[in-house]
Amino acid sequence: DSGVTQTPKHLITATGQRVTLRCSPRSGDLSVYWYQQSLDQGLQFLIQYYNGEERAKGNILERFSAQQFPDLHSELNLSSLELGDSALYFCASSPGTGANPEAFFGQGTRLTVV
Amino acid sequence: AQSVTQLGSHVSVSEGALVLLRCNYSSSVPPYLFWYVQYPNQGLQLLLKYTTGATLVKGINGFEAEFKKSETSFHLTKPSAHMSDAAEYFCAVRETSYDKVIFGPGTSLSVIP
Repeated sequence: DSGVTQTPKHLITATGQRVTLRCSPRSGDLSVYWYQQSLDQGLQFLIQYYNGEERAKGNILERFSAQQFPDLHSELNLSSLELGDSALYFCASSPGTGANPEAFFGQGTRLTVV
Repeated sequence: AQSVTQLGSHVSVSEGALVLLRCNYSSSVPPYLFWYVQYPNQGLQLLLKYTTGATLVKGINGFEAEFKKSETSFHLTKPSAHMSDAAEYFCAVRETSYDKVIFGPGTSLSVIP
């Protein structure tokens, strides 16, 4: 168990809909990252938050948005969903120190858009 | 910009044989380097990491990796493959402990009995 919790584990929704994925980082970790994993594009970095502030942005579509709340949990919002958005979405957290630079991953949310 | 390449999207080895998964990176500064493993329908689990110091790093499940700055490589090895090693392996890099982690495309390891 990495200590990173993602809910829900599975989500099936229709095209055009909006969903929210939730992530609770490990206790004390200030950085939260979101990644999308699909068969054709591998593991793609979407966005990073550090202590409530957006720190880095990757290949995140304008239809997607995220935020990190004061209690450090994070939500990824996906709207106007398309079939191609079907993927595994991972959240990771990291303490952000030099001695422990690794990221710890949750089990992922499998999103299926039908 | 940071990037990671992994030579070979699929590698097959016989049980008991040497496992060698290749990783090369590009970074403008000495990076932090990682290997993660992903079993089917699971998240990514850290196998090992390089931060500073000793260039040969030992990880879990008998894996180790060597950081070679001159070759910008961080290849993963295991002397003797086990059936349970069959999984997807990802090499990753970050330039500071605050940056995003960039992953390679992954290598799928199959172990043949």
